[in-house]
Amino acid sequence: GAVVSQHPSRVICKSGTSVKIECRSLDFQATTMFWYRQFPKQSLMLMATSNEGSKATYEQGVEKDKFLINHASLTLSTLTVTSAHPEDSSFYICSEAGLAADTQYFGPGTRLTVL
Amino acid sequence: AQKITQTQPGMFVQEKEAVTLDCTYDTSDPSYGLFWYKQPSSGEMIFLIYQGSYDQQNATEGRYSLNFQKARKSANLVISASQLGDSAMYFCAIEVTGGGNKLTFGTGTQLKVEL
Repeated sequence: GAVVSQHPSRVICKSGTSVKIECRSLDFQATTMFWYRQFPKQSLMLMATSNEGSKATYEQGVEKDKFLINHASLTLSTLTVTSAHPEDSSFYICSEAGLAADTQYFGPGTRLTVL
Repeated sequence: AQKITQTQPGMFVQEKEAVTLDCTYDTSDPSYGLFWYKQPSSGEMIFLIYQGSYDQQNATEGRYSLNFQKARKSANLVISASQLGDSAMYFCAIEVTGGGNKLTFGTGTQLKVEL
């Protein structure tokens, strides 16, 4: 299966700063990648669909100006949390859809803590 | 919109026993796929098993099998011969064909395997 990496795995930042999270597809060219957020002891919620070479598609209730997504190449999507606040502290995880219907590969996730 | 319901927030099973994790779904789309993922404390999402809505037979992958009852809209995961390493959070998810590979997750079941 495809290998997806995320960097960093863990980040702590001060309130008001911006944090960039990278999601890389290591062995597959992904035209579409997904960003999920998971609060403690809760489920994964889709934030946005990242499309290579075009604008991301955001789910209802997700602020596109706060969560900036860039998918400039077939192997890299980035999520930037702008002006982070403590309520943005969460586990952010990306995924890519494989060629077959039964495949979706997840990155290892990034744990963001905003102080 | 799709919905996944996992009614068991927590389950206990003894080592070497079998356990069933419940999942029911709701969708008006005739073509869809059902996934089960395991999430250990490290946070990574590990793909376990997939069932397509048109698959005639229940999916099996090693110790994992999916009890697919289409009329009842249920897709329970059966883990046979439980091992201590199976202790984790388990999520059921649905993807609608033509829905852009987006996954909708249930709230998860925390499984604890005991000696």
